[in-house]
Amino acid sequence: DAGVIQSPRHEVTEMGQEVTLRCKPISGHNSLFWYRQTMMRGLELLIYFNNNVPIDDSGMPEDRFSAKMPNASFSTLKIQPSEPRDSAVYFCASSSAPGPGDEQFFGPGTRLTVL
Amino acid sequence: LAKTTQPISMDSYEGQEVNITCSHNNIATNDYITWYQQFPSQGPRFIIQGYKTKVTNEVASLFIPADRKSSTLSLPRVSLSDTAVYYCLVEDSGTYKYIFGTGTRLKVLA
Repeated sequence: DAGVIQSPRHEVTEMGQEVTLRCKPISGHNSLFWYRQTMMRGLELLIYFNNNVPIDDSGMPEDRFSAKMPNASFSTLKIQPSEPRDSAVYFCASSSAPGPGDEQFFGPGTRLTVL
Repeated sequence: LAKTTQPISMDSYEGQEVNITCSHNNIATNDYITWYQQFPSQGPRFIIQGYKTKVTNEVASLFIPADRKSSTLSLPRVSLSDTAVYYCLVEDSGTYKYIFGTGTRLKVLA
């Protein structure tokens, strides 16, 4: 298995632009999680899905952030419009268990820089 | 909100046992305590999880006291390849949000 796949690995954009991050979970996993990691705030859970349904989006920082999971093998995290403070590494993780408390498999992350 | 605090950094020599403690004062009563390892430019990787007392797998042990307000990850006989950042993950009892610890940067010296 290729593991969790994220694209792009690096993204540099200008303030105000729309950014879309993509994730393909491990086949057969029915939970998907989006995290953000910064030096100041550490690892934060933004949102997670179970069977393609958003379960908890309380970690999404603002309305500028949105996430979708149209099918079991694909999810997107969109930021529109982007701001410099959104610069971070965004991780996607998947799991065969229903919640964040069980073993999660993380992707390599997308490093986002907003100028 | 659960405050999950860990020592910022630790140094150790190869072959030694390393113990990293995470303090979590408002942990939920009914979920696991989980530990992850993260190497530079990679996503976190699951190490071990437990609910109470002691859990051991092929790479680590996890000690959890009865009140569950802390947990200690024990790495036996560390090697240079164990140099990484280690995080605990717990569920907050008030908000039911999952909170990662502040992370402990372990450096293993030859």
